[in-house]
Amino acid sequence: QVQLVQSGAEVKKPGASVKVSCKASGYTVTNYGISWVRQAPGQGLEWMGWISGYNGDTNYAQKFQGRVTLTTDTSTSTAYMELRSLRSDDTAVYYCARFSGRLQPFDYWGQGTLVTVSS
Amino acid sequence: DIQMTQSPSSLSASVGDRVTITCRASQSIRFYLNWYQQNPGKAPKLLIYAASSLQSGVPSRFSGSGSGTDFTLTISSLQPEDFSTYYCQQSYSTLFTFGPGTKVDIK
Repeated sequence: QVQLVQSGAEVKKPGASVKVSCKASGYTVTNYGISWVRQAPGQGLEWMGWISGYNGDTNYAQKFQGRVTLTTDTSTSTAYMELRSLRSDDTAVYYCARFSGRLQPFDYWGQGTLVTVSS
Repeated sequence: DIQMTQSPSSLSASVGDRVTITCRASQSIRFYLNWYQQNPGKAPKLLIYAASSLQSGVPSRFSGSGSGTDFTLTISSLQPEDFSTYYCQQSYSTLFTFGPGTKVDIK
């Protein structure tokens, strides 16, 4: 069965970086992309960017351009999201989600990773 | 970027009620509109894709309609497990965007 398993919770200081992983299983990762979505406490869903599992192409929301990097390691079926220059308002649950291509929905989601930014 | 709005932002309803949530896009997204349900502390779950297609395993009391800029999610007879928050999302643009969400709670 399809599973996306994310790394555990992180606590970071302002200005630091965080790297969250998302390990996929149960499907051929090169046939799907991975999107990253975050949710601040009590807030809605915010799309951050996606990476193609086929060729590693990426696309980022303008808000995160220059501060986020998405990568993928097809040998381990793992996607990564690195966010730099963390601020307190980056405190959120970060989700990875699978999609099969352009125009397609996010059909499977990881369990979420809480990133807390605090001095 | 394509902006998504939802109405209402919250609603109170009773078990058995028919519930309708509206989503509007800032430009035409044809029928590339998806609906998700999210319970507290859980990841979102895909309910409806391409405006009106029911995701596998989702109860038939959920339905979606619309095209262009205006879309609706309908729950025909609200069940206890449906008290949740619902988000629309456009996948027409490669810069995906979500609506702000609609919280459905118990009257």
